[in-house]
Amino acid sequence: GAVVSQHPSRVICKSGTSVKIECRSLDFQATTMFWYRQFPKQSLMLMATSNEGSKATYEQGVEKDKFLINHASLTLSTLTVTSAHPEDSSFYICSARGTRSGELFFGEGSRLTVL
Amino acid sequence: AQSVTQPDIHITVSEGASLELRCNYSYGATPYLFWYVQSPGQGLQLLLKYFSGDTLVQGIKGFEAEFKRSQSSFNLRKPSVHWSDAAEYFCAVGAGRGNTDKLIFGTGTRLQVFP
Repeated sequence: GAVVSQHPSRVICKSGTSVKIECRSLDFQATTMFWYRQFPKQSLMLMATSNEGSKATYEQGVEKDKFLINHASLTLSTLTVTSAHPEDSSFYICSARGTRSGELFFGEGSRLTVL
Repeated sequence: AQSVTQPDIHITVSEGASLELRCNYSYGATPYLFWYVQSPGQGLQLLLKYFSGDTLVQGIKGFEAEFKRSQSSFNLRKPSVHWSDAAEYFCAVGAGRGNTDKLIFGTGTRLQVFP
């Protein structure tokens, strides 16, 4: 089946630094990828929709200058958390929509801890 | 606005017992409904989905769910739970163009299985 991989799975950084998380579709092309954020014991909240070759669409309340999304190819989207602060600590999950089935496939998530 | 409610935050069952996880949705049109499972530190895995047709849908790992329009529900069931089913379960409704572009998730139900 289709596989979506995220890297890194865990990252710890100091406050004020930037962190990049990659989301790759390994065996299919994904024109659209989605980034979610999950706080402990809460549900996933959609942050933004990443479209290959165009600007990402952010959900209301999500700072686009803080959470930079780049979808430069049909198999890779990146989320960069800029000037990270402890409140940005969270579990970030991406999903990719297959071009054939349209089904969403989720990555294994990336846990960010900002000290 | 679309929303998903999972009334049970935490459920505990004995191994071999039957299971039903509740999900209620609010959506103006015919919904696309999903159930996902998330093991600790993992991404989401699709258990099953309902788009149209037979209201009783079969999924992986022996799960099934029934769409009841009159009750706006899409409850997940399994006749005999295994210890490996312990995880977090999320119900979701498709809320975008094509009803699969964006998913709105419920807050999840944590399933604990006792031997």
